[in-house]
Amino acid sequence: NAGVTQTPKFRVLKTGQSMTLLCAQDMNHEYMYWYRQDPGMGLRLIHYSVGEGTTAKGEVPDGYNVSRLKKQNFLLGLESAAPSQTSVYFCASSASYEQYFGPGTRLTVT
Amino acid sequence: KNEVEQSPQNLTAQEGEFITINCSYSVGISALHWLQQHPGGGIVSLFMLSSGKKKHGRLIATINIQEKHSSLHITASHPRDSAVYICAVRYNAGNNRKLIWGLGTSLAVNP
Repeated sequence: NAGVTQTPKFRVLKTGQSMTLLCAQDMNHEYMYWYRQDPGMGLRLIHYSVGEGTTAKGEVPDGYNVSRLKKQNFLLGLESAAPSQTSVYFCASSASYEQYFGPGTRLTVT
Repeated sequence: KNEVEQSPQNLTAQEGEFITINCSYSVGISALHWLQQHPGGGIVSLFMLSSGKKKHGRLIATINIQEKHSSLHITASHPRDSAVYICAVRYNAGNNRKLIWGLGTSLAVNP
């Protein structure tokens, strides 16, 4: 099993550009999460999903959208990237309470 | 003030030393998680506990619910233990799928 995978691993965007980060899990988990990690701050939840077709806002949802059209995939979209969205993004999935994390995507917005 | 406080923020140890990392929180929780983040960035869950103590290899995690405090101990530390150790808590109330994260303790174990 690959576990949780994230695509891409690195990306540089210009301000105003859009992009989609893909998270895929092969563990048949119901729950999936998108976090961002910034220096000096704990992981912060952006959006999460409790099952296929559902999404919900986390702590810092502004500027991001998500979709969960298939159970195994959770997409994070940035419609108009801003420098404040420069961060490392982690996806996670869980069946119950233990979360399994992807390797992260390092995004830089210039 | 973060709702989950970890101490110390940074820790340097010599190989073989016994290490303790602390986590304190301010609200009632249903569970506490300890995770490890390696320099490459990957995050791995180490323990999830709601009472007492758990042990896995050289790692031991304890929690005192009354005192709202948990410790992560590493016995016979090794350079490969060098990583950031993160504490996260799950609240009793509301949507308890969400976690509140500490800022992490950066551990360096020197040979």
